[in-house]
Order: sequence, then structure tokens, then C-alpha cells
Amino acid sequence: DAGVIQSPRHEVTEMGQEVTLRCKPISGHNSLFWYRQTMMRGLELLIYFNNNVPIDDSGMPEDRFSAKMPNASFSTLKIQPSEPRDSAVYFCASSLISGEKLFFGSGTQLSVL
Amino acid sequence: GENVEQHPSTLSVQEGDSAVIKCTYSDSASNYFPWYKQELGKRPQLIIDIRSNVGEKKDQRIAVTLNKTAKHFSLHITETQPEDSAVYFCAALFSGNTPLVFGKGTRLSVIA
Repeated sequence: DAGVIQSPRHEVTEMGQEVTLRCKPISGHNSLFWYRQTMMRGLELLIYFNNNVPIDDSGMPEDRFSAKMPNASFSTLKIQPSEPRDSAVYFCASSLISGEKLFFGSGTQLSVL
Repeated sequence: GENVEQHPSTLSVQEGDSAVIKCTYSDSASNYFPWYKQELGKRPQLIIDIRSNVGEKKDQRIAVTLNKTAKHFSLHITETQPEDSAVYFCAALFSGNTPLVFGKGTRLSVIA
């Protein structure tokens, strides 16, 4: 298996633009997590899914953030409109058993100018 | 709410020395405690984990100990090498259908 695949690896955009981050979890994994990492706040859980169903989105900072998982092999995290303070590394992770042995993707480095 | 405290935030050791990172957690019902290593510019990767029915687990130069009574667990790295330099995150899985809660991380520097 190629592991958790995220795209793009880097995204540079201007304030106000829509940003869509993509994730393909490991085949067979039932849980998918979106994290945001910054120097100041560390690893923050934004939202997670079990069997494609969103379980807890309390970590999503604002209504500008939304996430979907239309099927077991694909998820998106969308920011609309983006702001400079959204600049961070966004990681997607998946696991076979919810919360245990997370496998992280390579992350998306987002810069909002 | 559920919380994981990790310290120190930075740690420098001489090559060959041991390094110890400690974490405390808030929920006594927690039953799973992993450690992740994140090298500069890379993804976090699981390096070792322990369950609440075990007091210690070793894997070559790394070991994790768990004290359930005191609600803390520690990562021990012996004979440190420059490639051990990274940020290490502890985490805990709390009771109920909740995901892992991570500590803030420890930046370990091994000085050759």
C-alpha cells in the first residue's frame, strides 16, 4: 500500500481564495482524521470520520472550514474564503481502529498571502 | 476536558546519552498511549505504543513506561544518535468514542 496520500504537497494562495485539500486513506482503514499543525498550537484535530460519517467537527475553527468524505477512499478539506492565519501544515491520517496506530500522510503546506 | 501535558518542550543531549520525555494525562480510564516521531519536514510516525495493562514496553533503544496510578507515561531513548533528533509527540486515547489527544511535542536535539 502507498500509505495515506495527500494532495497537493504545497499550496500558495491569496487571501479570499478557496482552498481544497485532498486525502486518500489507506485501503481498509475505517477512520480518517484531519489535523492542522502550527508552531504555536501544535497538532490540532479538526475533524474525524468513522466509516465515512463525520463524528466530531468541534475542532473546525470556523464556518469557513468544511470537510467531506463521500466514500471510503477519498476525503476533502475545504477552506472558503482562506485567510493568512490559516497558513499551516494540514495532515490527513487514517487508522484501522479508531484512534489507534494512526498513519499520517505527507501533509499539505498551505500558505495564504 | 481530556488533556495531555508533555515536558520538556525542548531537550538537548550529547550523543550516546539517554533522553527521557514525560507525559501526564487527565482521564484515568485511558487505555492506549502511543508515541510519534516527527523529523523536520516529515510526517509524524508511530514509533512505539503501550496499553494500560502493561507497565513497560521496549523496542531496541526505545522504551515506554506507564504509571497508571500517577497517570503518567514516559519515553526513554538510550544511546542516542544524531538521527534521533526530531520532535516527539505523546498521545492518549481517552474513554468513549474519542480520538487521540496529543501532547504539544518535545524537540529533541542530539549533539554529536
